[in-house]
Amino acid sequence: DAKTTQPPSMDCAEGRAANLPCNHSTISGNEYVYWYRQIHSQGPQYIIHGLKNNETNEMASLIITEDRKSSTLILPHATLRDTAVYYCIVRFHTGNQFYFGTGTSLTVIP
Amino acid sequence: EADIYQTPRYLVIGTGKKITLECSQTMGHDKMYWYQQDPGMELHLIHYSYGVNSTEKGDLSSESTVSRIRTEHFPLTLESARPSHTSQYLCASSEWGRASVADTQYFGPGTRLTVL
Repeated sequence: DAKTTQPPSMDCAEGRAANLPCNHSTISGNEYVYWYRQIHSQGPQYIIHGLKNNETNEMASLIITEDRKSSTLILPHATLRDTAVYYCIVRFHTGNQFYFGTGTSLTVIP
Repeated sequence: EADIYQTPRYLVIGTGKKITLECSQTMGHDKMYWYQQDPGMELHLIHYSYGVNSTEKGDLSSESTVSRIRTEHFPLTLESARPSHTSQYLCASSEWGRASVADTQYFGPGTRLTVL
């Protein structure tokens, strides 16, 4: 029951910024945008989340449009270890399941 | 970095055996979850718990059972393993009950189960 749309795959040159888009046109006012990534079938790794404002942490930046219908995850300097499937998830701040969908497979190229 | 652990990481076992997959977290999180994921496929929630003595079934029907006797421990048991149980099992935990905190789930490394 994913409420998001992501491109299935993207490439990025090592050292460049990786910009991963996500559309969530049906997002409601109380729903957060979360980003996770999964490297080679390991457990998903939390990256960042936000509600309305742009957010930045040591891993990435999250840019949310003013109408909240889309967002972009930015990895400022992609490395080979950032190659993974990236999931954009929309949900209320309390709930049970994270619906991961199929995500974007990011390949960082040397 | 999340402190959530799963053992074993890999398990190959014969049909009919009883198995328990262990999950422990040291973050004091109230809520814990079990997901099942087949290769290249989405994660599906099979069990969750709000706290000690609380267990609920998730969206995906599962023949497994869970228990929550201690806050930090959330084991999953299969009474009689079958080849259809072959999958990756992922455990997660989150804080719960604090309205100002987004319910971020932190995942363990997973257990890859193969039933022959």
